[in-house]
Amino acid sequence: QVQLQESGPGLVEPSQTLSLTCTVSGASISSDGYYWTWIRQHPGKGLEWVGHIYHSGSTYYNPSLKSRIIIALDTSKSQFSLQLNSVTAADTAVYYCARGLINWNRGGHLRAFDIWGQGTMVTVSS
Amino acid sequence: QSALTQPPSVSGSPGQSVTISCTGTSSDLDTYNSVSWYQQPPGTAPKLMIYEVNNRPSGVPDRFSGSKSGNTASLTISGLQAEDEADYYCSLYSTSGTLVVFGGGTKLTVL
Repeated sequence: QVQLQESGPGLVEPSQTLSLTCTVSGASISSDGYYWTWIRQHPGKGLEWVGHIYHSGSTYYNPSLKSRIIIALDTSKSQFSLQLNSVTAADTAVYYCARGLINWNRGGHLRAFDIWGQGTMVTVSS
Repeated sequence: QSALTQPPSVSGSPGQSVTISCTGTSSDLDTYNSVSWYQQPPGTAPKLMIYEVNNRPSGVPDRFSGSKSGNTASLTISGLQAEDEADYYCSLYSTSGTLVVFGGGTKLTVL
């Protein structure tokens, strides 16, 4: 059974760096079939794609966050991570990690996010 | 890059059918078949219900179905049950700009 689990601080001070880790179990993070993804949800709001990483290390970021984020892969630990720099209160959200299925018959298009972590709430406040 | 518009809320009685629409502002939704739908009960993570317009993952009841016509995708839930009460989000993948966009979400109330 594939599971994803987010971990990291629940409170980050403004202007600091938010760092989260997603641990993957039951699936190979080195597989070419998936995009390993971060998605966030502001309190009471909808979902926002943050970015994702492919097993080769190629990354794809939301243009609105691109200047502040790094997503990285650690295959030895079966983990991928999110760093978001210079955070403000607007970055307060539940952060989910998710597995994105790739459709190679359609040129590497994303099929959908089939497995999600339970989410972790991150509050930006002093 | 398309923005996706969903109705804020829909409702129905047990046993009835409801349809949630998801309309794109550009031709992306018409062009791409990478439309998916997610169910999110309060306080829980989203769950995949439909992928690539009209495909159900294993374990999702066949009461849930998806379709697309032009720039609008739809999720239909037939035989409504109390457990279907949740927020529902559509999502679209395209190959430019913001690669993945989500609709604003629709709250389904089972009366």
